[in-house]
Amino acid sequence: NAGVTQTPKFQVLKTGQSMTLQCAQDMNHNSMYWYRQDPGMGLRLIYYSASEGTTDKGEVPNGYNVSRLNKREFSLRLESAAPSQTSVYFCASSNRQGINQPQHFGDGTRLSIL
Amino acid sequence: SQQGEEDPQALSIQEGENATMNCSYKTSINNLQWYRQNSGRGLVHLILIRSNEREKHSGRLRVTLDTSKKSSSLLITASRAADTASYFCATDSGGSNYKLTFGKGTLLTVNP
Repeated sequence: NAGVTQTPKFQVLKTGQSMTLQCAQDMNHNSMYWYRQDPGMGLRLIYYSASEGTTDKGEVPNGYNVSRLNKREFSLRLESAAPSQTSVYFCASSNRQGINQPQHFGDGTRLSIL
Repeated sequence: SQQGEEDPQALSIQEGENATMNCSYKTSINNLQWYRQNSGRGLVHLILIRSNEREKHSGRLRVTLDTSKKSSSLLITASRAADTASYFCATDSGGSNYKLTFGKGTLLTVNP
């Protein structure tokens, strides 16, 4: 039972490069989320998708775009990477059908931008 | 903006001792959740307490919630070295999108 799978696990980019972080879940969850985690800052929500076909901005959306490709997959794109986007990125999913449900997290993508 | 704030930021104890972490939040909530994060890994859900509940247990975990004080505590009894991790509280303020707002976490170190 894989749960939430994120790829890649590590990536180094140069300023101005673009890349897409991939996330897939196999729990048939409706809602998916992208967070970034920086030292001393906890987790901050970048974008979320309440259901297939919808996406909404979170707390820190600038510099990012997302695509909810289907119910399983939710990708995060950096169009022109900046050093301030160096962080650990986590994808999560939850069952929106039920109130009071936890979120399930992947193991993260560690992204460094030089 | 952070909704939950954990206290203390770091806690070091000996194996077998109890560990208590606190979380304060600012606005009304639907539920409050606690998560654990081992070094280099994703967050793992530990326990969820609803706004109409005051206490909940799960194994060696005990969570309390005081909505009048907007605070929660997580107690880990008889701690083990394997409990070494960061612990985060997260609040769900309701709405149709089930967004969580996370605190900055407490780093717990359990020394063998």
